[in-house]
Amino acid sequence: DIQMTQSPSSLSASVGDRVTITCRASQSISSYLNWYQQKPGKAPKLLIYAAFSLQSGVPPRFSGSGSGTDFTLTISSLQAEDFATYYCQQSYSTPRTFGQGTKLEIK
Amino acid sequence: EVQLVESGGGLVQPGGSLRLSCAVSGFTFSSYWMHWVRQAPGKGLVWLTRISGDGSATNYADSVKGRFTISRDNANNTVYLQMNSLTVEDTAVYYCARAEAVAGRSLDYWGQGTLVTVSS
Repeated sequence: DIQMTQSPSSLSASVGDRVTITCRASQSISSYLNWYQQKPGKAPKLLIYAAFSLQSGVPPRFSGSGSGTDFTLTISSLQAEDFATYYCQQSYSTPRTFGQGTKLEIK
Repeated sequence: EVQLVESGGGLVQPGGSLRLSCAVSGFTFSSYWMHWVRQAPGKGLVWLTRISGDGSATNYADSVKGRFTISRDNANNTVYLQMNSLTVEDTAVYYCARAEAVAGRSLDYWGQGTLVTVSS
Protein backbone atom coordinates (compact mmCIF):
# COMPACT_ATOMS: atom_id res chain seq x y z
CA ASP A 1 0.00 0.00 0.00
CA ILE A 2 1.12 3.56 -0.65
CA GLN A 3 1.64 5.57 2.52
CA MET A 4 0.81 9.27 2.53
CA THR A 5 2.50 11.54 5.06
CA GLN A 6 1.40 15.11 5.64
CA SER A 7 3.32 17.85 7.39
CA PRO A 8 2.79 19.60 9.59
CA SER A 9 0.10 17.75 11.56
CA SER A 10 -1.14 21.07 12.88
CA LEU A 11 -0.55 24.67 12.02
CA SER A 12 -1.49 27.99 13.57
CA ALA A 13 -1.89 30.96 11.27
CA SER A 14 -3.64 34.30 10.99
CA VAL A 15 -6.15 35.66 8.52
CA GLY A 16 -4.24 36.93 5.51
CA ASP A 17 -1.28 34.58 5.95
CA ARG A 18 0.10 32.41 3.17
CA VAL A 19 0.06 28.77 4.22
CA THR A 20 1.63 25.68 2.71
CA ILE A 21 0.85 22.06 3.59
CA THR A 22 3.03 19.25 2.34
CA CYS A 23 2.10 15.69 1.40
CA ARG A 24 4.65 12.97 0.62
CA ALA A 25 3.92 9.60 -0.96
CA SER A 26 5.92 6.48 -0.15
CA GLN A 27 6.36 5.85 -3.89
CA SER A 28 5.77 7.79 -7.06
CA ILE A 29 2.10 8.49 -7.73
CA SER A 30 2.61 10.68 -10.81
CA SER A 31 0.01 13.48 -10.42
CA TYR A 32 -2.70 11.33 -8.88
CA LEU A 33 -3.09 13.42 -5.76
CA ASN A 34 -6.22 15.05 -4.35
CA TRP A 35 -6.75 17.53 -1.53
CA TYR A 36 -9.86 17.72 0.67
CA GLN A 37 -11.02 20.17 3.31
CA GLN A 38 -13.07 19.03 6.28
CA LYS A 39 -14.77 21.18 8.87
CA PRO A 40 -15.95 19.79 12.22
CA GLY A 41 -19.05 17.65 11.92
CA LYS A 42 -19.11 17.95 8.15
CA ALA A 43 -18.22 15.71 5.22
CA PRO A 44 -14.95 16.32 3.39
CA LYS A 45 -15.00 18.65 0.41
CA LEU A 46 -12.85 18.21 -2.69
CA LEU A 47 -10.55 21.18 -3.27
CA ILE A 48 -7.86 20.05 -5.71
CA TYR A 49 -7.66 16.99 -7.95
CA ALA A 50 -4.88 15.62 -10.12
CA ALA A 51 -2.34 17.56 -8.04
CA PHE A 52 -3.13 21.06 -9.32
CA SER A 53 -6.64 21.19 -10.84
CA LEU A 54 -9.04 23.38 -8.89
CA GLN A 55 -12.44 21.83 -8.26
CA SER A 56 -15.36 23.88 -9.56
CA GLY A 57 -16.50 26.48 -7.07
CA VAL A 58 -13.30 26.44 -5.00
CA PRO A 59 -11.75 29.89 -4.53
CA PRO A 60 -8.54 30.53 -6.48
CA ARG A 61 -6.59 31.30 -3.30
CA PHE A 62 -6.25 27.50 -3.08
CA SER A 63 -3.61 25.94 -5.31
CA GLY A 64 -1.81 22.64 -5.59
CA SER A 65 1.52 21.60 -7.02
CA GLY A 66 3.90 18.68 -7.22
CA SER A 67 4.33 15.34 -8.91
CA GLY A 68 6.00 12.05 -8.19
CA THR A 69 6.24 11.83 -4.41
CA ASP A 70 6.10 15.42 -3.16
CA PHE A 71 3.06 17.68 -3.24
CA THR A 72 1.92 20.93 -1.70
CA LEU A 73 -1.35 22.68 -1.01
CA THR A 74 -1.04 26.45 -0.74
CA ILE A 75 -3.59 28.93 0.52
CA SER A 76 -2.42 32.32 -0.69
CA SER A 77 -4.30 34.51 1.80
CA LEU A 78 -6.11 32.76 4.61
CA GLN A 79 -9.73 33.60 5.18
CA ALA A 80 -11.71 32.87 8.33
CA GLU A 81 -13.62 30.08 6.61
CA ASP A 82 -10.40 28.25 5.73
CA PHE A 83 -9.70 27.10 9.27
CA ALA A 84 -10.30 23.38 8.96
CA THR A 85 -8.50 20.06 8.57
CA TYR A 86 -6.92 19.24 5.22
CA TYR A 87 -6.27 15.77 3.83
CA CYS A 88 -4.34 14.57 0.84
CA GLN A 89 -5.30 11.34 -0.92
CA GLN A 90 -3.51 9.35 -3.57
CA SER A 91 -5.57 7.98 -6.45
CA TYR A 92 -2.73 6.15 -8.20
CA SER A 93 -3.72 2.72 -6.88
CA THR A 94 -6.03 0.99 -4.46
CA PRO A 95 -6.32 1.25 -1.55
CA ARG A 96 -6.85 4.97 -2.08
CA THR A 97 -4.93 6.04 1.01
CA PHE A 98 -5.29 9.38 2.78
CA GLY A 99 -2.72 11.37 4.67
CA GLN A 100 -3.24 11.74 8.42
CA GLY A 101 -4.53 15.28 8.07
CA THR A 102 -3.32 18.80 8.84
CA LYS A 103 -5.36 20.86 11.27
CA LEU A 104 -5.22 24.54 10.46
CA GLU A 105 -6.04 26.66 13.50
CA ILE A 106 -6.39 30.36 14.16
CA LYS A 107 -3.37 31.98 15.79
CA GLU B 1 -28.66 18.79 -7.50
CA VAL B 2 -26.41 15.89 -6.57
CA GLN B 3 -27.33 14.32 -3.25
CA LEU B 4 -26.01 11.34 -1.32
CA VAL B 5 -27.82 10.26 1.83
CA GLU B 6 -26.47 7.51 4.06
CA SER B 7 -28.58 5.50 6.46
CA GLY B 8 -28.43 2.33 8.51
CA GLY B 9 -25.94 3.32 11.17
CA GLY B 10 -26.49 2.67 14.84
CA LEU B 11 -25.35 0.69 17.85
CA VAL B 12 -24.28 -2.91 17.31
CA GLN B 13 -22.56 -5.43 19.55
CA PRO B 14 -19.09 -6.77 18.79
CA GLY B 15 -19.35 -9.64 16.35
CA GLY B 16 -22.56 -8.29 14.92
CA SER B 17 -23.52 -7.11 11.46
CA LEU B 18 -24.95 -3.98 9.94
CA ARG B 19 -25.87 -2.88 6.43
CA LEU B 20 -25.40 0.73 5.44
CA SER B 21 -27.24 2.30 2.53
CA CYS B 22 -26.43 5.36 0.46
CA ALA B 23 -29.28 6.67 -1.66
CA VAL B 24 -28.26 9.05 -4.41
CA SER B 25 -30.04 11.46 -6.72
CA GLY B 26 -29.24 14.16 -9.22
CA PHE B 27 -26.95 12.19 -11.52
CA THR B 28 -26.83 9.05 -13.67
CA PHE B 29 -25.90 6.65 -10.90
CA SER B 30 -24.85 3.72 -13.08
CA SER B 31 -22.15 5.82 -14.75
CA TYR B 32 -20.13 6.39 -11.60
CA TRP B 33 -17.83 4.46 -9.32
CA MET B 34 -18.92 4.77 -5.70
CA HIS B 35 -16.72 4.63 -2.60
CA TRP B 36 -17.05 4.22 1.16
CA VAL B 37 -14.74 6.09 3.55
CA ARG B 38 -14.84 6.08 7.34
CA GLN B 39 -13.63 8.29 10.14
CA ALA B 40 -13.22 7.10 13.71
CA PRO B 41 -14.02 9.69 16.40
CA GLY B 42 -11.31 12.35 16.44
CA LYS B 43 -9.28 10.54 13.78
CA GLY B 44 -8.53 10.88 10.08
CA LEU B 45 -10.18 9.59 6.93
CA VAL B 46 -9.75 5.95 5.97
CA TRP B 47 -10.67 4.65 2.54
CA LEU B 48 -12.56 1.36 2.66
CA THR B 49 -13.87 0.19 -0.68
CA ARG B 50 -15.20 1.09 -4.11
CA ILE B 51 -17.48 -0.39 -6.75
CA SER B 52 -17.70 0.22 -10.49
CA GLY B 53 -20.74 1.70 -12.19
CA ASP B 54 -22.09 -1.66 -13.34
CA GLY B 55 -21.12 -3.41 -10.12
CA SER B 56 -18.72 -5.80 -11.80
CA ALA B 57 -15.54 -4.56 -10.12
CA THR B 58 -14.76 -3.93 -6.47
CA ASN B 59 -11.70 -3.16 -4.35
CA TYR B 60 -11.21 -3.24 -0.59
CA ALA B 61 -8.79 -2.06 2.05
CA ASP B 62 -7.06 -4.94 3.79
CA SER B 63 -8.61 -3.90 7.10
CA VAL B 64 -12.10 -4.80 5.88
CA LYS B 65 -11.48 -7.39 3.19
CA GLY B 66 -13.47 -10.53 3.90
CA ARG B 67 -15.68 -8.76 6.45
CA PHE B 68 -17.25 -5.92 4.46
CA THR B 69 -19.01 -6.17 1.09
CA ILE B 70 -19.91 -3.30 -1.19
CA SER B 71 -22.80 -3.68 -3.63
CA ARG B 72 -25.17 -1.50 -5.59
CA ASP B 73 -28.68 -1.45 -7.00
CA ASN B 74 -28.68 0.75 -10.08
CA ALA B 75 -32.44 0.46 -10.48
CA ASN B 76 -32.88 2.10 -7.09
CA ASN B 77 -29.85 4.41 -7.13
CA THR B 78 -28.43 2.95 -3.96
CA VAL B 79 -25.04 1.67 -2.88
CA TYR B 80 -24.66 -0.60 0.13
CA LEU B 81 -22.01 -1.59 2.61
CA GLN B 82 -22.60 -4.90 4.36
CA MET B 83 -20.46 -5.08 7.48
CA ASN B 84 -19.94 -8.36 9.31
CA SER B 85 -17.84 -9.47 12.30
CA LEU B 86 -17.75 -5.94 13.62
CA THR B 87 -15.23 -4.95 16.29
CA VAL B 88 -14.93 -1.84 18.45
CA GLU B 89 -12.29 -0.60 15.99
CA ASP B 90 -15.03 -0.29 13.36
CA THR B 91 -16.72 2.47 15.35
CA ALA B 92 -16.75 5.47 13.02
CA VAL B 93 -18.75 7.79 10.84
CA TYR B 94 -19.16 6.11 7.45
CA TYR B 95 -19.34 8.25 4.34
CA CYS B 96 -20.30 7.27 0.83
CA ALA B 97 -18.78 9.32 -1.96
CA ARG B 98 -18.99 9.59 -5.72
CA ALA B 99 -15.90 9.35 -7.88
CA GLU B 100 -15.75 12.10 -10.50
CA ALA B 101 -16.76 11.01 -13.95
CA VAL B 102 -13.81 11.66 -16.23
CA ALA B 103 -11.02 9.68 -14.64
CA GLY B 104 -12.79 8.49 -11.50
CA ARG B 105 -9.82 9.41 -9.38
CA SER B 106 -11.21 11.99 -6.96
CA LEU B 107 -14.28 12.01 -4.73
CA ASP B 108 -16.32 15.00 -5.78
CA TYR B 109 -19.54 14.51 -3.80
CA TRP B 110 -19.97 13.06 -0.32
CA GLY B 111 -22.88 12.14 1.87
CA GLN B 112 -23.32 13.57 5.35
CA GLY B 113 -22.20 10.32 6.98
CA THR B 114 -23.83 7.77 9.26
CA LEU B 115 -22.45 6.84 12.68
CA VAL B 116 -21.74 3.22 13.52
CA THR B 117 -20.99 2.42 17.14
CA VAL B 118 -19.74 -1.05 18.04
CA SER B 119 -20.04 -1.63 21.75
CA SER B 120 -21.31 -4.16 24.23
